[in-house]
Parts: sequence; structure tokens; C-alpha cells
Amino acid sequence: DAGVIQSPRHEVTEMGQEVTLRCKPISGHDYLFWYRQTMMRGLELLIYFNNNVPIDDSGMPEDRFSAKMPNASFSTLKIQPSEPRDSAVYFCASSWARTNLNEQFFGPGTRLTVL
Amino acid sequence: RKEVEQDPGPFNVPEGATVAFNCTYSNSASQSFFWYRQDCRKEPKLLMSVYSSGNEDGRFTAQLNRASQYISLLIRDSKLSDSATYLCVVSSTLGRLYFGRGTQLTVWP
Repeated sequence: DAGVIQSPRHEVTEMGQEVTLRCKPISGHDYLFWYRQTMMRGLELLIYFNNNVPIDDSGMPEDRFSAKMPNASFSTLKIQPSEPRDSAVYFCASSWARTNLNEQFFGPGTRLTVL
Repeated sequence: RKEVEQDPGPFNVPEGATVAFNCTYSNSASQSFFWYRQDCRKEPKLLMSVYSSGNEDGRFTAQLNRASQYISLLIRDSKLSDSATYLCVVSSTLGRLYFGRGTQLTVWP
């Protein structure tokens, strides 16, 4: 079975450029989460969706970050404009409330470097 | 103050050793507790849930002390393959998890 799929796996961009990260959750999962991981701050929740609706975006660092989930099988996290301090690994995760909501399945992550 | 605090380590132990990790959480209303494992440059994966009565899964034992807001993970007879970062995780509201920064373990031959 396919797990959570993220693309791209690696992204190197220059400061000021727009970055779009993509995620396909596990089919049938109704929760989707975006996390950011850095050495300094660890794993931080940015935003999460339930049935495609954003539930909590309090972790989104600032207006430069936006996330959408147009349908149950696709979500994007956009950074515009990007800054060097955005360099991190961005993980998408999904879960299914009917079984064990708290077991989140993570994608392989997107390693973002902003020069 | 962070929701979940962990000793970052690193812990370096020989094969066969017993090692214990601890973490504390700040929200007394927290509902569920977990240990996740993250291998180097990989995504986190659920290792085990933690129950108030304590629970065991093979060489791994997890314990929860709600009064002290303290969670532990004990690994017996360490294997080389146990080398990873162990993340203490707490759920306070439905669907939202709070991750500790992780404790790094290296098991050497």
C-alpha cells in the first residue's frame, strides 16, 4: 500500500522565491497534518485539516506561509517569499479517526534549503 | 515552556545494554501518550502507545505517571538496529500531537 507521498523530496531555492510543497495522504484518511522539523526547534505542527477543512493553523509562522487542501487526496504548503530561516524538513502526515486518530503516518518529508 | 520536554542525549550504549529515556509534559489535561521512533534522515514512525498501567512490547517497556506528568521508555537488550531518535509524544486535543525534540540513541557493537 502506498503511504503518504510528498514531493519534491529535495528543494533548493533562492531567497524571495515561491516554494510549493505537495502531499498526497493515505487513501481514506480524514486528517492531514503539516509539520516542520529543525535541529533547533524539533518537530512543530504548522497546520492540520479534517475532511479538507483547516482546523488549527496557529502553528503557521507568518503570512508568508499558506496551506490548502482542495480535495481529500491532495494538499499544498506554499511559502512566498521564502527566506533562509525557512530551511527545514517539512513533513506531511495523515491519520484516520475511525481507527486510531493519534497514530499519524508520516511522508518521507521535503528537505528545503533556501539560499 | 514547551509542551513536552526530553533529555536530548545522546545516549551511547553497547549492545545488550538496558537504556531508559524520560520525558515530562506540561498539560495535565493531556489524553494520550506515545513514543515515536525516527531513524536518521527518515520520517517519524509510531513505536508504541503508553498506557497508565504500563505496557510492554518485546524488549520495550513504556510507563506513564500522570501525577508527575512523566513518561518513560525502557529498552532492554539493546540491538544495533535500535539506534535512532526516540520522540516522546503527547496528545491533548483530538487529533493534535505535541512532539518532544527527541532523545538520540546510538548502540555500538
